[in-house]
Amino acid sequence: GAVVSQHPSRVICKSGTSVKIECRSLDFQATTMFWYRQFPKQSLMLMATSNEGSKATYEQGVEKDKFLINHASLTLSTLTVTSAHPEDSSFYICSAKGTSGGKAHEQFFGPGTRLTVL
Amino acid sequence: QKEVEQDPGPLSVPEGAIVSLNCTYSNSAFQYFMWYRQYSRKGPELLMYTYSSGNKEDGRFTAQVDKSSKYISLFIRDSQPSDSATYLCAMSAEGAQKLVFGQGTRLTINP
Repeated sequence: GAVVSQHPSRVICKSGTSVKIECRSLDFQATTMFWYRQFPKQSLMLMATSNEGSKATYEQGVEKDKFLINHASLTLSTLTVTSAHPEDSSFYICSAKGTSGGKAHEQFFGPGTRLTVL
Repeated sequence: QKEVEQDPGPLSVPEGAIVSLNCTYSNSAFQYFMWYRQYSRKGPELLMYTYSSGNKEDGRFTAQVDKSSKYISLFIRDSQPSDSATYLCAMSAEGAQKLVFGQGTRLTINP
């Protein structure tokens, strides 16, 4: 099946610093990538949808200036958490779709990145 | 009210038992109904999906959708310790790119 990787798998940073998380589709071209966050014992909440070469679409309540998303190629999307604070500590998961249309469930998830902000 | 409601558990059953996991939803536009399995500190993996109402079976897993009641279920037969994970239901509307997830139910199968 399709493989999506994330790097790093875990990151600990100081409050006020910026953190970049990479999401890569390893064996397919991802026209659309999604970024989710998941708090402990909580569901996945969609943060934004990004299409290759265009600006990301953010969900209501997600600060686009704080969570910068770049989808510069068909195999790579990055999420940068700017000026991170302890409340940004969470599990961040990306997913990727290989077709611009298709069904919502035709997306493959990465293994997630655990961010801890001290 | 959340669009998708799922009891977070935890649910603990002995090996070999039949497990029943459920979700309810409020958005009548949902047409695709999915079940994902998520192991600790991992991303979700798709177990099954169903379009509209009906049943779908895949090995030990059976998914049921009752659109009239806005209620979906996942049954696991002959449960194994390796089935221990968090199970998330997810739904989407026709033509939608977004998935709406339930809270997830943490399941433990005891040997």
